[in-house]
Amino acid sequence: AQTVTQSQPEMSVQEAETVTLSCTYDTSESDYYLFWYKQPPSRQMILVIRQEAYKQQNATENRFSVNFQKAAKSFSLKISDSQLGDAAMYFCAYRTLNYGGSQGNLIFGKGTKLSVKP
Amino acid sequence: GAVVSQHPSRVICKSGTSVKIECRSLDFQATTMFWYRQFPKKSLMLMATSNEGSKATYEQGVEKDKFLINHASLTLSTLTVTSAHPEDSSFYICSAREFGRLAGTDTQYFGPGTRLTVL
Repeated sequence: AQTVTQSQPEMSVQEAETVTLSCTYDTSESDYYLFWYKQPPSRQMILVIRQEAYKQQNATENRFSVNFQKAAKSFSLKISDSQLGDAAMYFCAYRTLNYGGSQGNLIFGKGTKLSVKP
Repeated sequence: GAVVSQHPSRVICKSGTSVKIECRSLDFQATTMFWYRQFPKKSLMLMATSNEGSKATYEQGVEKDKFLINHASLTLSTLTVTSAHPEDSSFYICSAREFGRLAGTDTQYFGPGTRLTVL
């Protein structure tokens, strides 16, 4: 079974600085998806970024980028120029590559609470 | 991104009553919807997976007779908590899977959640 581990329960960053959130996973599959979701105090889960395992290039979305190391099964999230609105719980998630089936559920890590200091 | 709505956002009910929570994908068809439960400061716990037109698949330890799931159309799934008790108080989140084989999209979008309080 696949597992996702986020070893940092809490992180803090100064506004405008850069922070990296860690995520490792375990799987025997060769192809899959990886995601970072953000959950602010409103508790609405928001997709931050996704990565297909078959793509070697690291995904980027504006100030958010990932460092995907497939051999090491590592998928860290880097937030550049941190803003107060980035304060939230961040969840790393794994999903099997499953087309049209009834599965394809996300497997979440326990989350990292990010605080942004003004 | 795609939008998923959830209604109600907050509900308070008496012990022994039933509560229905609706989850809708507003601008896409969702062949698969997921229901999660989240305890304070914890991660999301998958309760069940529902596919349009078929019975839901429940995770181990989740009572299917207590948490009734119906996925009547490609845009609507409902979760009914039957004979609710205080221990059912929690935050319930639905998620809809947007899958487009030709477009190569396969992403889960989440509803805003429902806070259930059982007195």
